[in-house]
Amino acid sequence: GEDVEQSLFLSVREGDSSVINCTYTDSSSTYLYWYKQEPGAGLQLLTYIFSNMDMKQDQRLTVLLNKKDKHLSLRIADTQTGDSAIYFCAERGDYKLSFGAGTTVTVRA
Amino acid sequence: SAVISQKPSRDICQRGTSLTIQCQVDSQVTMMFWYRQQPGQSLTLIATANQGSEATYESGFVIDKFPISRPNLTFSTLTVSNMSPEDSSIYLCSVDRNYGYTFGSGTRLTVV
Repeated sequence: GEDVEQSLFLSVREGDSSVINCTYTDSSSTYLYWYKQEPGAGLQLLTYIFSNMDMKQDQRLTVLLNKKDKHLSLRIADTQTGDSAIYFCAERGDYKLSFGAGTTVTVRA
Repeated sequence: SAVISQKPSRDICQRGTSLTIQCQVDSQVTMMFWYRQQPGQSLTLIATANQGSEATYESGFVIDKFPISRPNLTFSTLTVSNMSPEDSSIYLCSVDRNYGYTFGSGTRLTVV
């Protein structure tokens, strides 16, 4: 079955870049996603990447995909206090999503 | 992306009772998904709801415990039946629209 793993915690200084890593096992994944969950809130879709792409950039967000190693990363440039949240990596196999455990990002002044 | 209205946003329920969660989507969708997020955990898919047919449940989830209705292409309900404290979680509905899955704001359930 699908298995998505990601590091649990990341602490970053305000203004620095954050990099969140994720590995997955399903080689047939079509799309991979990054979601953000702020305390007490639902899930917000940040960005996605199609499996035949290597990189996608969207303002401060850069997604890198290494399909050979089944490794996905999310880079947040110029990290702000508002970026403090839990970030979930998810892969799409067939019609449903499998989520990682989430990375808690803490931004310190 | 789709707008999903989910309610209630939170509830505190007595063990042994049932709670029905509603999700309304602003446009027609083929499949609606129900997820559970236990405290401090990731999201686990409970079932997929299709209009006009029975829901498809994932391993570990059964219809008697989590009955689902899907009366039309914009609405679905999930019932958490005969609740116990272990059912305390956030329950979220989701739809697949435009290359991204949109989630409702979630129902935070506490069973006492």
